[in-house]
Amino acid sequence: GAGVSQTPSNKVTEKGKYVELRCDPISGHTALYWYRQSLGQGPEFLIYFQGTGAADDSGLPNDRFFAVRPEGSVSTLKIQRTERGDSAVYLCASSVSGGETQYFGPGTRLLVL
Amino acid sequence: RKEVEQDPGPFNVPEGATVAFNCTYSNSASQSFFWYRQDCRKEPKLLMSVYSSGNEDGRFTAQLNRASQYISLLIRDSKLSDSATYLCVVRGIGGNNRLAFGKGNQVVVIP
Repeated sequence: GAGVSQTPSNKVTEKGKYVELRCDPISGHTALYWYRQSLGQGPEFLIYFQGTGAADDSGLPNDRFFAVRPEGSVSTLKIQRTERGDSAVYLCASSVSGGETQYFGPGTRLLVL
Repeated sequence: RKEVEQDPGPFNVPEGATVAFNCTYSNSASQSFFWYRQDCRKEPKLLMSVYSSGNEDGRFTAQLNRASQYISLLIRDSKLSDSATYLCVVRGIGGNNRLAFGKGNQVVVIP
């Protein structure tokens, strides 16, 4: 079956612009996670959704970052006033509720010039 | 201190050799432990879960030492296709399902 999909695969933007990154989880997975991976580092947790609600947003670095999942399926990560330091690969993962295994999407490579 | 510490390497391994590496984690309350594999410019994929009793999957063996808070991975009879970054992952820090990743061990298998 279809895995986790993310769009766009690559995004180049200018400092100060607004971007939206989309994640489409595996069908039936109620848990959805966003991570960010900088070059040479492991992924870092950003936010976790259980259904429509954000169960844990403690990893969001500041209030420029926001994520939604209005219907409990597709999620959008929104970054306002982008900074060069936001350049990274943004990974989305999903799992069944309470499931240990998280399945990752291919990521969105964000470059802020 | 980072939640999961790994020495990134790289680890240059002759084909057919055995390579072992480990990581340490800081929170003794961590619940679950994994090794993920990440190929260049690809997403992480679960390689195996890690249990205190140790577990083996073909040429791969994983061990967990809760007392010392470290996790190990051993790869026997290395293949060229084993070249990848191996990420040590801990779940349950902070009381939810989020995963905490190490930097990863970069393994390069040389013919």
